[in-house]
Amino acid sequence: DAGVTQTPRHEVAEKGQTIILKCEPVSGHNDLFWYRQTKIQGLELLSYFRSKSLMEDGGAFKDRFKAEMLNSSFSTLKIQPTEPKDSAVYLCASSLAGTGTDTQYFGPGTRLLVL
Amino acid sequence: SQLAEENSWALSVHEGESVTVNCSYKTSITALQWYRQKSGKGPAQLILIRSNEREKRNGRLRATLDTSSQSSSLSITATRCEDTAVYFCATDATNAYKVIFGKGTHLHVLP
Repeated sequence: DAGVTQTPRHEVAEKGQTIILKCEPVSGHNDLFWYRQTKIQGLELLSYFRSKSLMEDGGAFKDRFKAEMLNSSFSTLKIQPTEPKDSAVYLCASSLAGTGTDTQYFGPGTRLLVL
Repeated sequence: SQLAEENSWALSVHEGESVTVNCSYKTSITALQWYRQKSGKGPAQLILIRSNEREKRNGRLRATLDTSSQSSSLSITATRCEDTAVYFCATDATNAYKVIFGKGTHLHVLP
């Protein structure tokens, strides 16, 4: 079984650029999560989809971050325009049903550096 | 403030020793999960312990849950260098759809 895949693994962007990160969840999973991970803040939830419907869009991240789930097997996270403070690891995770008793399966992450 | 928090930022032990990572949380929960994240990889679940369970084991790992004190611990026996990682606890609030992660404890297992 393939796990969660994320591309690219590394991204370098200039301030003001638009970048798109991609995620393929585990086949058959209904829920997909995008997280941002930094040393200071830890894991912060950016977006959450249940059966392709957006359930949470990340509050403070709304203005420049947009996640989409085009079909049940593919999601993108667009950051537009990028700022240096967006430098972080972006993790995608999927689970069968997204409850507190469900395991989240994480991809390896995309490490983003904004100059 | 965090729904769940590990009590130590970092711990160091020598290979073969035992170590315990502690976590406290703030609300009633359905379950608590422990995850491990190795360098360059995403977190991976180690143990899920439900609110009606007091202890769960997985090989060299043992998790406990005390709902009265709203705390959990993850013990690792006979540590190995490959146990070096960040360990997270994660909880839901009862009836919530999502899980909130603590900031993690960095465990270093020295040769």
